[in-house]
Amino acid sequence: QSALTQPASVSGSPGQSITISCIGTSSDVGGYNYISWYQQHPGKAPKLMIYDVSYRPSGVSNRFSGSKSGNTASLTISGLQAEDEADYYCSSYTISSTRVAFGGGTKLTVL
Amino acid sequence: QVQLQQSGPGLVKPSQTLSLTCAISGDSVSSSSAAWNWIRQSPSRGLEWLGRTYYRSKWYNDYAVSVKSRMTINPDTSKNQFSLQLDSATPEDTAVYYCARGCTYCSTTYHFDYWGQGTLVTVSS
Repeated sequence: QSALTQPASVSGSPGQSITISCIGTSSDVGGYNYISWYQQHPGKAPKLMIYDVSYRPSGVSNRFSGSKSGNTASLTISGLQAEDEADYYCSSYTISSTRVAFGGGTKLTVL
Repeated sequence: QVQLQQSGPGLVKPSQTLSLTCAISGDSVSSSSAAWNWIRQSPSRGLEWLGRTYYRSKWYNDYAVSVKSRMTINPDTSKNQFSLQLDSATPEDTAVYYCARGCTYCSTTYHFDYWGQGTLVTVSS
C-alpha cells in the first residue's frame, strides 16, 4: 500500500481541465513543501512535471500546475491533450525512514 | 543535457546479488549539488526509493530502511558512474529498476529530474 493516496483513475475530454489529488499526512505532504509530480507513459521512465509543490522544470508545459492545502497536494492539467494520457505519480519527502513517499499512481484517460 | 544509461543483467537467481550500473553523461557523479539515486517500480510495491550516493566534500550514502541491510551504492569517479548491489535477492525484488539524478535546482534532491531508461530485473531460478 502506497504512503500517499491518489485516485486510481481520472478522465477528461480534450480541452477540459482535470485535477488529481494526493493525500498524505503531516509527516509528509502536510509538513514539507517538497512535493513533486511525475508523468509516466507506458514502458517509459517517469518524467518530472512539478517540483517544490508548484514549480515546473524547463520545458514542461504551463498547462500543468501544482498546489497544496494541508495534507493534500493537487496536480491540475488544463487544456487536456491526447498526449497527456499517462500515469501520474505524486511524491513527497517524508520524515519517516522511507525518506521519499510515492503515491500509487493515477491513470489519466483523455476521452 | 544529462543522460543516464543503465546496464546489468535482467535475470538474477534467488539468494544471489542483483547488480546494476548507471553511467552518467552531462554531469559528474562527484557533483557537489546532485545526488544519484536508485528507485524501483513493481505492481505490488509501486514506486520505491531505494537509496542514493552524493558528494559533499566527502561521500555519503543513504538507504531506505527496507533494503539498508542488503544494499550498497558505490560511485565510480574514474568511469563517471554509480552502481547498485542488492544482496540475497528474493522474488520480491523483481521490479523495474531506475537510476535517477536528484534535482540540482530544486529545494531538495529528493525530486528526480533525470532518469535512466529502466531495467527489468527478474529474480527467479
